[in-house]
Amino acid sequence: QQQVKQSPQSLIVQKGGISIINCAYENTAFDYFPWYQQFPGKGPALLIAIRPDVSEKKEGRFTISFNKSAKQFSLHIMDSQPGDSATYFCAASGWSNTGKLIFGQGTTLQVKP
Amino acid sequence: EAGVAQSPRYKIIEKRQSVAFWCNPISGHATLYWYQQILGQGPKLLIQFQNNGVVDDSQLPKDRFSAERLKGVDSTLKIQPAKLEDSAVYLCASSLGPGTGPNQPQHFGDGTRLSIL
Repeated sequence: QQQVKQSPQSLIVQKGGISIINCAYENTAFDYFPWYQQFPGKGPALLIAIRPDVSEKKEGRFTISFNKSAKQFSLHIMDSQPGDSATYFCAASGWSNTGKLIFGQGTTLQVKP
Repeated sequence: EAGVAQSPRYKIIEKRQSVAFWCNPISGHATLYWYQQILGQGPKLLIQFQNNGVVDDSQLPKDRFSAERLKGVDSTLKIQPAKLEDSAVYLCASSLGPGTGPNQPQHFGDGTRLSIL
């Protein structure tokens, strides 16, 4: 029940295309859903996050779509660029976790020029 | 602001040896986390501190792992004795407080990559 399942494991997109990464969770106590971006040799960096009281949040080229009834959320990267090539992790936490983040397995994105 | 500092960046040891990692969080951050990231997986929380007290250590293998944050600032994570399965990147993160949400984002250091021979 504490798991966050992420797909796909890897993704190849052409420059200018849309990258879509999906996550699903079981624990309805989760109330905060961040996405992290990680480059090789670096720590994860917060990209964008959403609360379950909204269905969508957009920041620049990055959008989170949230479906509370389905317990799913996804990251959309519009106009994907080679510089977006990285590993992306979804995560979830809730009031009962005291800030503890449960991470998905990660998606390695490669954007081809 | 300066980010989360970790050292060393890399460490290679033989199994059954001991190793220690150091973390200095962002100034003013009361909450400190240690995560283990095995290759190809997402980070997994090992231990969480609020100031110098332990909030959550439910996934810390206490027979071999220990951590301390004596003065509520920097922290040390130790493994003794190391096993092959401990090969991973050990990430430290910090946040202003222990809650969740956009007001308490976790900031990660670049980690220590540990290889066990």
